[in-house]
Amino acid sequence: DGGITQSPKYLFRKEGQNVTLSCEQNLNHDAMYWYRQDPGQGLRLIYYSQIVNDFQKGDIAEGYSVSREKKESFPLTVTSAQKNPTAFYLCASTQPRGNQPQHFGDGTRLSIL
Amino acid sequence: AQSVTQLDSHVSVSEGTPVLLRCNYSSSYSPSLFWYVQHPNKGLQLLLKYLSGSTLVKGINGFEAEFNKSQTSFHLRKPSVHISDTAEYFCAVKRGGTSYGKLTFGQGTILTVHP
Repeated sequence: DGGITQSPKYLFRKEGQNVTLSCEQNLNHDAMYWYRQDPGQGLRLIYYSQIVNDFQKGDIAEGYSVSREKKESFPLTVTSAQKNPTAFYLCASTQPRGNQPQHFGDGTRLSIL
Repeated sequence: AQSVTQLDSHVSVSEGTPVLLRCNYSSSYSPSLFWYVQHPNKGLQLLLKYLSGSTLVKGINGFEAEFNKSQTSFHLRKPSVHISDTAEYFCAVKRGGTSYGKLTFGQGTILTVHP
């Protein structure tokens, strides 16, 4: 079955450490997105990519970085510059043309040790 | 710029009763609107979408929503809820122009269904 796989499901970060969240899709979608979810705040867009080797900052990109070397993969790095990284992170993908909905992975919960 | 306001942060109802989850939006374009459901520690699942045409949209699991352009609303309804409908619900509007499929989400409504 086609879908989006996020790993790990739970992740812990030490002070001053960078951590990388994985997102892989086999839906053949061109566009991929990373969201941060905090209680009562909905989903906020961190970064998005519409095509391989291209990505754009979203609404809250500070302290995060991404890469898009392959169509299927869009990893997110939470850097030590992100002072409040504790959140639920969701990856999504879609075909941006034709009003297709976004499909979501099951998320990674990141906590500080 | 597009924005979404979900008017209730929490809704609590009894099993077998109807439920209404309210969503207002603002958009500079003819909007594309979506409702998603999220169960605990899971991703979002699409319930239904409005792109154009009929203003009454039917989705999965007995949910439906009505697009009202004059009131800029897209409220979600279900005639008879089940315990398994307990979850968080998000309304979203697609950003217009060269937005590459980006969505703006509301803050979410937590629905609790009691036995």
